[in-house]
Amino acid sequence: GAGVSQSPSNKVTEKGKDVELRCDPISGHTALYWYRQSLGQGLEFLIYFQGNSAPDKSGLPSDRFSAERTGGSVSTLTIQRTQQEDSAVYLCASSRTGAENQPQHFGDGTRLSIL
Amino acid sequence: RKEVEQDPGPFNVPEGATVAFNCTYSNSASQSFFWYRQDCRKEPKLLMSVYSSGNEDGRFTAQLNRASQYISLLIRDSKLSDSATYLCAVNPRNRKLIWGLGTSLAVNP
Repeated sequence: GAGVSQSPSNKVTEKGKDVELRCDPISGHTALYWYRQSLGQGLEFLIYFQGNSAPDKSGLPSDRFSAERTGGSVSTLTIQRTQQEDSAVYLCASSRTGAENQPQHFGDGTRLSIL
Repeated sequence: RKEVEQDPGPFNVPEGATVAFNCTYSNSASQSFFWYRQDCRKEPKLLMSVYSSGNEDGRFTAQLNRASQYISLLIRDSKLSDSATYLCAVNPRNRKLIWGLGTSLAVNP
């Protein structure tokens, strides 16, 4: 596609439920990143995928968070047993390669609200 | 010391003013630098990459000062539409961008 596509745009769910967030990167981009951003706060790195390499999961805040990237394209971020502190905007970004000089391009994000 | 630091502002300037922001970084081995803008409740959008020799895109000029370890963004002839948060991002050679918290700019009529 022309840009990074994320779905759903908004998600409201009850505490304790599991949620799945989807990211479809720019076609041909091999690197994919997940971030989250709470209101008025900075970007918090969650996880990074590059090609067939093992993902960098160093930013995942707890074992309730997991992500996968199938076929080197679409990625799904799963949050199990959601908590109120998980409420945030979850942003996905992709870059052409994982090279350091490649800028990241963001999707519109998923606004997650845990009741 | 944070790896990437920005003055949060807010910077309040009148239309037509020139305004500059700095972003300092702690890792001297950093090689890649970017400026993004983020509008309220929107995703960050790439404004420009920052090259060693400095680069300009219309009213926007980005510069890199390796000796003092900072990058700068200069906006000339500010427009109302320039009001946003400006994020800097630095890659310290491990393929994971480090983000500043952003500088808030409000351009007033």
